[in-house]
This record gives sequence, C-alpha cells and structure tokens, in this order.
Amino acid sequence: ILNVEQSPQSLHVQEGDSTNFTCSFPSSNFYALHWYRWETAKSPEALFVMTLNGDEKKKGRISATLNTKEGYSYLYIKGSQPEDSATYLCASYSSASKIIFGSGTRLSIRP
Amino acid sequence: DTGVSQNPRHKITKRGQNVTFRCDPISEHNRLYWYRQTLGQGPEFLTYFQNEAQLEKSRLLSDRFSAERPKGSFSTLEIQRTEQGDSAMYLCASSLVGQNNEKLFFGSGTQLSVL
Repeated sequence: ILNVEQSPQSLHVQEGDSTNFTCSFPSSNFYALHWYRWETAKSPEALFVMTLNGDEKKKGRISATLNTKEGYSYLYIKGSQPEDSATYLCASYSSASKIIFGSGTRLSIRP
Repeated sequence: DTGVSQNPRHKITKRGQNVTFRCDPISEHNRLYWYRQTLGQGPEFLTYFQNEAQLEKSRLLSDRFSAERPKGSFSTLEIQRTEQGDSAMYLCASSLVGQNNEKLFFGSGTQLSVL
C-alpha cells in the first residue's frame, strides 16, 4: 500500500447502532497513525495518536485499534449518537516526516 | 494562545490573479503544514516546514505555488496566476515535533474561489 485508504467512503447508521470503519496505510517506515474527527463548519480535531503495534485507544464511546505489521487500523463507535455525525480521517505519519491523510469516512447518524 | 489562525477565511478572485494566504500557528509549535481540501476528499498534502526550513513540497504542486515561513513563526502560501482548478479549502496545521503523541492542530481554513 502506497497511500492511505479509508473505507467505506460514507456510512449511514441508525442512532444507537454501533459501527466501524477501516484505514489502510503503508507499513514501511511507520512512525504513527492518527485519527481525526471533522465536523461540518469546524476544523479537524485529533481523536487518537497511535504508535505501537497492537495499540488500543478509547475515548468515551469511540475506540481504535492498530496493526502496524499489516498496515491497518479500525475505528469503532459504540451506540452512535447524532453528535457523532462527522467525517473521520486517518493519517499516516512515516519516519517522523510528513503526515498524509486518507479521503475520510463520512458518517451520518439517523435519529 | 487561541490556536492556529488563518486569514482570510474566504477569498474570491478572478482567474489569473495572485493570492496570498497567511497562517499563524500555535506559538511554541515548530512544524507547520499546508493542505488543500476539495469536496469529498481528505486533506491533500502541499508542503511542510520545520522551523523556517521547508522540508518537502508535493510533487503534484505546480511552480505557481510557493510557501514561506521566514522566521519560523507565521507562514504564507502564495498562488500565482490562479486557475479555476485552484478553487479549494486551504488548511494550515501546526504541531510540536518530539512531543509524545504529537498531533496536528488545524486552523479554520481559507476557502478560495477562482472565477
């Protein structure tokens, strides 16, 4: 994998349901993997910075896992709420140089 | 410090004109990034600085784009002879390299419309 790829591109979920999405990134020269949440009319804000293979991070109902050997990360949202509607971006940070973003997963929560 | 500041918030220009955007990062941050975002896409890397040194510029970026960070504080991004394809949101972000869990802090962006 040469680029950062996210799937799905968009997701519509019923309020209360749990959901997850995927980020694939280059595993060579890995330094860190970032997750950001980007709400409409706001700036992207960091959710997690993950550096170690097998890392699991949690923030309220949102959690993420990391596999640096195979180059993927999952983001999970438990019991989706309307305020979770946003674009979720992952970004690969290789060799402590530039940070490259994926195209994002646009999440919409139906009340 | 209130965070990363970008000016202007919106810029409308005619094709062929030059435009310049400014970014003021968080004061103690030594790294500064410029990204471009178009509808439905994630932020596309343009260039980044560590202090005043420009470490990398995207190969996708034409010679019409130039960026500076003269004293390692604020940065400017200039687009010469703008084209309609330059219409996008231009995002600036800063970080503190070497900090545990280094992460990006974004400005609100400059929305450029080229007519």
